[in-house]
Amino acid sequence: EDQVTQSPEALRLQEGESSSLNCSYTVSGLRGLFWYRQDPGKGPEFLFTLYSAGEEKEKERLKATLTKKESFLHITAPKPEDSATYLCAVQGGRRGGSYIPTFGRGTSLIVHP
Amino acid sequence: DSGVTQTPKHLITATGQRVTLRCSPRSGDLSVYWYQQSLDQGLQFLIQYYNGEERAKGNILERFSAQQFPDLHSELNLSSLELGDSALYFCASSVGSGANYGYTFGSGTRLTVV
Repeated sequence: EDQVTQSPEALRLQEGESSSLNCSYTVSGLRGLFWYRQDPGKGPEFLFTLYSAGEEKEKERLKATLTKKESFLHITAPKPEDSATYLCAVQGGRRGGSYIPTFGRGTSLIVHP
Repeated sequence: DSGVTQTPKHLITATGQRVTLRCSPRSGDLSVYWYQQSLDQGLQFLIQYYNGEERAKGNILERFSAQQFPDLHSELNLSSLELGDSALYFCASSVGSGANYGYTFGSGTRLTVV
């Protein structure tokens, strides 16, 4: 069974204070690791897909990296509008006819001005 | 607006009742996924439909059922509701039957069972 553990559960940063969120996973045959952003009262919004160790993706102040056991979401010089819950998900074994991602519980990020 | 429409946004109902949640996927997407999100369980996969057919099943209770219609909209039926069914229910859609390009989620239906 695929498992995803995200840490920390919550993170408070000052505007401009860079940091990283961690996603540790166990999966039989990784077929993709995903990062989503979720704002309060809204559905998750897709950010990145990573497929293999060493891969990196960037979007504005966010950079996702992947190793064989974990992924990091680096936030450089965050702004208050980066405040959200960040969800990590892994896609491994099949469930029925599809590969369905397993989500972690997320890291709640608050960036203070 | 993500392009995935869920109705209603909020629903309050009593234990033992039955409700129907509706989802219209993003234009062109053939897959619809239903997820349940609660504070203690996180985002849990319930069921997937692809072009009208059930494709994958997750932790969906027997009291819950879903279907996808020819126009690709989907409905999630929850019956014999219990207090523990209170949660956010999300619908997501994708073009194919995989998540590689990411799912597009709707804004969810908040179900409160009293």
